[in-house]
Amino acid sequence: KAGVTQTPRYLIKTRGQQVTLSCSPISGHRSVSWYQQTPGQGLQFLFEYFSETQRNKGNFPGRFSGRQFSNSRSEMNVSTLELGDSALYLCASSLEPSVDTEAFFGQGTRLTVV
Amino acid sequence: LAKTTQPISMDSYEGQEVNITCSHNNIATNDYITWYQQFPSQGPRFIIQGYKTKVTNEVASLFIPADRKSSTLSLPRVSLSDTAVYYCLVVPWSGAGSYQLTFGKGTKLSVIP
Repeated sequence: KAGVTQTPRYLIKTRGQQVTLSCSPISGHRSVSWYQQTPGQGLQFLFEYFSETQRNKGNFPGRFSGRQFSNSRSEMNVSTLELGDSALYLCASSLEPSVDTEAFFGQGTRLTVV
Repeated sequence: LAKTTQPISMDSYEGQEVNITCSHNNIATNDYITWYQQFPSQGPRFIIQGYKTKVTNEVASLFIPADRKSSTLSLPRVSLSDTAVYYCLVVPWSGAGSYQLTFGKGTKLSVIP
């Protein structure tokens, strides 16, 4: 079966702009989580969605937002981009937000802010 | 959330068994222990998960002592393709059907020919 698909794979934006990243989970998966990975901070949890509802949110400013659609696809948006937002953004999907459910990660979107 | 501590890096020769130990002293009763593997510029990949004693799958084994304050990931007969970063995670069960994965620094395993 198809894995988690993230688009675009690479993105270059200018400071102050906004960006939208997309994630298509594995068919049948209803839980989608987003993570930011940087060399300095490592992998950090952004937020989690289940049935179109944000269930959990990490410690990120309000410039980071997301949503989930009825088909479980998810988008995250970053407004007023800063240089420090340059990172690999990873999306993970699972059947449901349960501790004994495996999370499958996509290959990520590499965002570069210049 | 229980904090995890694992070695920053490890080297191993091909064909050897590799054991990576993770410390999680403050693990809670309902927490599970999960290991992920990550190659450069790719998302993490689930390896194995357990609650107590020993769990084995086709890729690895996970040993968890009775006090659950540590765990050891065992990779049998590693190959060059096992060179990656390995993350030990303690995953809490919130009871509300919501959870997040908290990644530490991980252990960078380098397999030498």
